[in-house]
Amino acid sequence: AIEMTQSPSSLSASVGDTVTITCRASQGIRNDLGWYQQKPGKAPKLLIYTASTLQSGVPSRFSGSGSGTDFTLTISGLQPEDFASYFCLQQYNYPRTFGQGTKVEIK
Amino acid sequence: QVQLQESGPGLVKPSETLSLTCTVSGGSLNSDSYYWTWIRQPPGKGREWIGYILYSRINGITNYNPSLKGRVSMSMDTSKNQFSLKLNSVTAADTALYYCAREVRFGASAFDMWGRGTMVSVSS
Repeated sequence: AIEMTQSPSSLSASVGDTVTITCRASQGIRNDLGWYQQKPGKAPKLLIYTASTLQSGVPSRFSGSGSGTDFTLTISGLQPEDFASYFCLQQYNYPRTFGQGTKVEIK
Repeated sequence: QVQLQESGPGLVKPSETLSLTCTVSGGSLNSDSYYWTWIRQPPGKGREWIGYILYSRINGITNYNPSLKGRVSMSMDTSKNQFSLKLNSVTAADTALYYCAREVRFGASAFDMWGRGTMVSVSS
């Protein structure tokens, strides 16, 4: 199975900051990666698919980049509603595998 | 708007079978456009893809995580718009938050819809 290494596991930031979360795959996965947001007690929400395509309805402050083994989620201008957990998910092959997640907390 | 809702017992005894159902509202299971999926997350650990079931007229097509070593099975009931998970011979390691989700099959694949999850504890 492809191993997804996500970092950092947590970060503290202020409203307005730009934050970056990375995922590294143990082998090349083309651009078959998605980024998801999850808040406590809520369903995960798709933010980005195919590494860089913004899901409909997701604010443009979210962006994704990368291909092959290294991927990045950037939130430009953090908003209060963005304090949540984020995880990556590879869809290159089965079994699908996940990054461990990043918790974005208020500084 | 499609919604997914997990349901089932919150407590299962060791060696017994865990059974969960995902009810889909606002959409139909009668489509080969989606993989209907189960995912879990043990407390304090990472998420694990359990497997999917894909609609077909004869029988659902399934694909399971080899890590579950043949303990898992999935089915769907299109008349109720539900799909189900069974995991047998459970141990404490199967204690987790279980999610159902929908993976888009064609074009740009993604897990576009998720349930909120249901917690299942394995304990005597």
